[in-house]
Amino acid sequence: QSALTQPASVSGSPGQSITISCTGTSSDVGGYNYVSWYQQHPGKAPKVMIYDVSNRPSGVSSRFSGSKSGNTASLTISGLQAEDEADYYCSSYISSSTNYVFGTGTKVTVL
Amino acid sequence: QVQLVQSGAEVKKPGASVKVSCKASGYTFTSYYMHWVRQAPGQGLEWMGIINTSGGSRTYAQKFQGRVTMTRDTSTSTVFMELSSLRSEDTAVYYCARESDTSYGFDIWGQGTMVTVSS
Repeated sequence: QSALTQPASVSGSPGQSITISCTGTSSDVGGYNYVSWYQQHPGKAPKVMIYDVSNRPSGVSSRFSGSKSGNTASLTISGLQAEDEADYYCSSYISSSTNYVFGTGTKVTVL
Repeated sequence: QVQLVQSGAEVKKPGASVKVSCKASGYTFTSYYMHWVRQAPGQGLEWMGIINTSGGSRTYAQKFQGRVTMTRDTSTSTVFMELSSLRSEDTAVYYCARESDTSYGFDIWGQGTMVTVSS
Protein backbone atom coordinates (compact mmCIF):
# COMPACT_ATOMS: atom_id res chain seq x y z
CA GLN A 1 0.00 0.00 0.00
CA SER A 2 1.60 3.28 -1.10
CA ALA A 3 1.55 6.40 1.05
CA LEU A 4 -0.96 9.09 0.18
CA THR A 5 0.57 12.07 -1.62
CA GLN A 6 0.84 15.44 0.09
CA PRO A 7 2.82 18.55 -0.88
CA ALA A 8 6.11 18.69 0.98
CA SER A 9 5.54 22.22 2.18
CA VAL A 10 2.93 24.95 2.30
CA SER A 11 3.41 28.44 3.68
CA GLY A 12 1.31 31.47 4.44
CA SER A 13 1.30 34.73 6.32
CA PRO A 14 -0.55 35.21 9.61
CA GLY A 15 -4.26 35.64 9.01
CA GLN A 16 -4.21 34.00 5.60
CA SER A 17 -5.81 30.69 4.64
CA ILE A 18 -3.90 27.70 3.34
CA THR A 19 -5.00 24.34 1.98
CA ILE A 20 -3.13 21.05 2.14
CA SER A 21 -4.07 18.34 -0.32
CA CYS A 22 -3.95 14.57 0.20
CA THR A 23 -4.21 12.48 -2.95
CA GLY A 24 -4.87 8.77 -2.99
CA THR A 25 -6.85 6.34 -5.08
CA SER A 26 -10.33 4.90 -5.29
CA SER A 27 -9.10 2.15 -2.94
CA ASP A 28 -8.41 4.52 -0.08
CA VAL A 29 -9.31 8.24 -0.05
CA GLY A 30 -11.86 7.93 -2.83
CA GLY A 31 -13.42 4.76 -1.50
CA TYR A 32 -14.21 5.76 2.06
CA ASN A 33 -15.23 8.87 3.98
CA TYR A 34 -12.65 7.95 6.60
CA VAL A 35 -9.91 10.52 6.07
CA SER A 36 -8.36 12.03 9.18
CA TRP A 37 -5.76 14.76 9.64
CA TYR A 38 -3.03 15.03 12.28
CA GLN A 39 -0.89 17.93 13.45
CA GLN A 40 2.59 17.19 14.76
CA HIS A 41 4.88 19.71 16.38
CA PRO A 42 8.62 18.88 16.56
CA GLY A 43 9.38 16.20 19.10
CA LYS A 44 5.72 15.69 19.94
CA ALA A 45 3.14 13.00 19.25
CA PRO A 46 0.58 13.64 16.52
CA LYS A 47 -2.76 15.20 17.44
CA VAL A 48 -5.97 14.55 15.55
CA MET A 49 -7.48 17.65 13.95
CA ILE A 50 -10.13 16.20 11.63
CA TYR A 51 -12.00 12.86 11.55
CA ASP A 52 -14.05 11.28 8.80
CA VAL A 53 -13.16 13.89 6.18
CA SER A 54 -14.72 16.92 7.86
CA ASN A 55 -15.54 16.32 11.52
CA ARG A 56 -13.66 18.29 14.11
CA PRO A 57 -13.02 16.76 17.55
CA SER A 58 -14.03 18.84 20.54
CA GLY A 59 -11.31 21.26 21.49
CA VAL A 60 -9.95 21.72 17.97
CA SER A 61 -10.22 25.24 16.61
CA SER A 62 -12.92 25.94 14.03
CA ARG A 63 -10.16 27.45 11.88
CA PHE A 64 -9.43 23.87 10.80
CA SER A 65 -11.76 22.30 8.25
CA GLY A 66 -11.67 19.29 5.97
CA SER A 67 -13.25 18.26 2.69
CA LYS A 68 -12.94 15.67 -0.05
CA SER A 69 -13.49 15.48 -3.78
CA GLY A 70 -12.93 12.21 -5.58
CA ASN A 71 -9.56 10.77 -4.62
CA THR A 72 -8.27 13.98 -3.02
CA ALA A 73 -8.93 15.19 0.51
CA SER A 74 -8.04 18.66 1.75
CA LEU A 75 -7.32 20.37 5.04
CA THR A 76 -7.85 24.12 5.19
CA ILE A 77 -6.44 26.30 7.93
CA SER A 78 -8.02 29.74 8.00
CA GLY A 79 -6.75 32.73 9.95
CA LEU A 80 -3.28 31.21 10.04
CA GLN A 81 -1.48 31.65 13.38
CA ALA A 82 2.11 31.13 14.45
CA GLU A 83 1.11 28.11 16.53
CA ASP A 84 -0.16 26.36 13.39
CA GLU A 85 3.41 25.93 12.18
CA ALA A 86 3.88 22.15 12.29
CA ASP A 87 3.85 19.01 10.18
CA TYR A 88 0.47 17.75 9.01
CA TYR A 89 -0.39 14.20 7.97
CA CYS A 90 -3.51 12.81 6.39
CA SER A 91 -4.61 9.23 6.89
CA SER A 92 -7.22 7.02 5.32
CA TYR A 93 -8.84 3.84 6.50
CA ILE A 94 -8.49 1.21 3.79
CA SER A 95 -9.95 -2.09 4.87
CA SER A 96 -10.10 -4.52 7.74
CA SER A 97 -6.99 -6.27 6.45
CA THR A 98 -4.74 -3.33 5.67
CA ASN A 99 -6.44 -0.87 7.98
CA TYR A 100 -4.74 2.51 7.54
CA VAL A 101 -2.33 4.40 5.32
CA PHE A 102 -0.74 7.78 6.05
CA GLY A 103 0.16 10.64 3.78
CA THR A 104 3.72 11.73 3.08
CA GLY A 105 3.36 14.77 5.34
CA THR A 106 3.33 18.53 4.79
CA LYS A 107 5.39 21.10 6.61
CA VAL A 108 3.39 24.26 7.23
CA THR A 109 5.41 27.42 7.67
CA VAL A 110 3.94 30.66 8.96
CA LEU A 111 5.87 33.49 7.33
CA GLN B 1 -7.40 11.76 32.40
CA VAL B 2 -7.20 9.53 29.38
CA GLN B 3 -3.60 8.77 28.55
CA LEU B 4 -1.20 6.28 27.07
CA VAL B 5 2.22 6.05 28.70
CA GLN B 6 4.97 4.22 26.85
CA SER B 7 8.19 2.63 28.04
CA GLY B 8 11.52 4.37 27.72
CA ALA B 9 14.06 4.64 24.94
CA GLU B 10 15.94 1.54 23.81
CA VAL B 11 19.26 0.92 22.07
CA LYS B 12 19.61 -2.42 20.35
CA LYS B 13 22.13 -4.17 18.15
CA PRO B 14 21.24 -5.40 14.68
CA GLY B 15 19.55 -8.77 14.83
CA ALA B 16 18.17 -8.24 18.33
CA SER B 17 14.56 -7.79 19.38
CA VAL B 18 12.84 -4.94 21.18
CA LYS B 19 9.62 -4.91 23.18
CA VAL B 20 7.83 -1.62 23.77
CA SER B 21 4.97 -1.24 26.22
CA CYS B 22 2.03 1.16 26.27
CA LYS B 23 -0.04 1.49 29.45
CA ALA B 24 -3.53 2.90 29.16
CA SER B 25 -5.40 4.74 31.89
CA GLY B 26 -8.50 6.85 32.32
CA TYR B 27 -10.84 4.70 30.21
CA THR B 28 -12.08 1.14 29.75
CA PHE B 29 -9.08 -0.54 28.15
CA THR B 30 -10.98 -3.30 26.35
CA SER B 31 -13.44 -0.94 24.68
CA TYR B 32 -10.93 0.43 22.17
CA TYR B 33 -8.62 -1.02 19.56
CA MET B 34 -4.96 -0.06 19.80
CA HIS B 35 -2.58 0.60 16.93
CA TRP B 36 1.16 0.98 16.57
CA VAL B 37 2.64 3.62 14.30
CA ARG B 38 6.31 4.39 13.76
CA GLN B 39 8.24 7.38 12.49
CA ALA B 40 11.85 7.17 11.32
CA PRO B 41 14.00 10.27 11.92
CA GLY B 42 12.86 13.09 9.65
CA GLN B 43 10.33 10.82 7.97
CA GLY B 44 6.57 10.36 7.94
CA LEU B 45 4.20 8.17 9.89
CA GLU B 46 3.93 4.48 9.10
CA TRP B 47 1.12 2.21 10.28
CA MET B 48 2.37 -1.08 11.71
CA GLY B 49 -0.65 -2.93 12.99
CA ILE B 50 -3.68 -3.17 15.25
CA ILE B 51 -4.66 -5.28 18.24
CA ASN B 52 -8.16 -5.88 19.50
CA THR B 53 -7.65 -5.28 23.21
CA SER B 54 -10.74 -7.29 24.08
CA GLY B 55 -10.36 -10.47 22.06
CA GLY B 56 -6.66 -10.19 21.33
CA SER B 57 -6.84 -10.62 17.55
CA ARG B 58 -4.17 -8.79 15.56
CA THR B 59 -3.63 -7.50 12.04
CA TYR B 60 -0.18 -6.48 10.92
CA ALA B 61 0.97 -4.40 7.98
CA GLN B 62 2.37 -6.69 5.32
CA LYS B 63 5.78 -5.04 5.62
CA PHE B 64 6.17 -6.24 9.23
CA GLN B 65 4.56 -9.66 9.00
CA GLY B 66 6.82 -12.29 10.50
CA ARG B 67 8.82 -9.73 12.52
CA VAL B 68 6.23 -7.99 14.69
CA THR B 69 4.11 -9.35 17.51
CA MET B 70 1.48 -7.31 19.33
CA THR B 71 0.04 -8.53 22.60
CA ARG B 72 -1.98 -7.15 25.46
CA ASP B 73 -2.39 -7.69 29.19
CA THR B 74 -5.89 -6.76 30.25
CA SER B 75 -5.01 -7.04 33.94
CA THR B 76 -2.64 -4.08 33.63
CA SER B 77 -4.30 -2.31 30.66
CA THR B 78 -1.08 -2.57 28.72
CA VAL B 79 -0.31 -3.38 25.11
CA PHE B 80 3.07 -4.53 23.86
CA MET B 81 4.81 -4.38 20.51
CA GLU B 82 7.79 -6.63 19.89
CA LEU B 83 9.88 -6.24 16.77
CA SER B 84 12.52 -8.84 15.99
CA SER B 85 15.52 -9.14 13.64
CA LEU B 86 16.16 -5.46 14.03
CA ARG B 87 18.11 -3.59 11.38
CA SER B 88 19.29 0.00 11.17
CA GLU B 89 16.20 0.95 9.16
CA ASP B 90 14.07 0.15 12.22
CA THR B 91 15.54 3.13 14.06
CA ALA B 92 12.45 5.20 14.75
CA VAL B 93 10.03 6.57 17.29
CA TYR B 94 7.31 4.02 17.95
CA TYR B 95 3.86 5.27 19.00
CA CYS B 96 0.83 3.47 20.33
CA ALA B 97 -2.42 5.14 19.30
CA ARG B 98 -5.97 4.47 20.38
CA GLU B 99 -8.61 4.17 17.70
CA SER B 100 -11.68 6.32 18.27
CA ASP B 101 -14.83 4.36 19.06
CA THR B 102 -17.00 6.64 16.92
CA SER B 103 -14.81 7.38 13.93
CA TYR B 104 -11.99 5.93 11.90
CA GLY B 105 -8.91 7.65 13.28
CA PHE B 106 -6.59 7.85 16.27
CA ASP B 107 -7.82 10.02 19.12
CA ILE B 108 -5.18 9.40 21.80
CA TRP B 109 -1.45 8.86 21.25
CA GLY B 110 1.34 7.73 23.52
CA GLN B 111 4.35 9.98 23.95
CA GLY B 112 6.49 7.78 21.72
CA THR B 113 9.43 5.45 22.36
CA MET B 114 12.72 5.99 20.55
CA VAL B 115 14.31 2.76 19.39
CA THR B 116 17.85 3.03 18.07
CA VAL B 117 19.42 0.12 16.22
CA SER B 118 23.18 0.44 16.04
CA SER B 119 26.20 -1.80 16.21
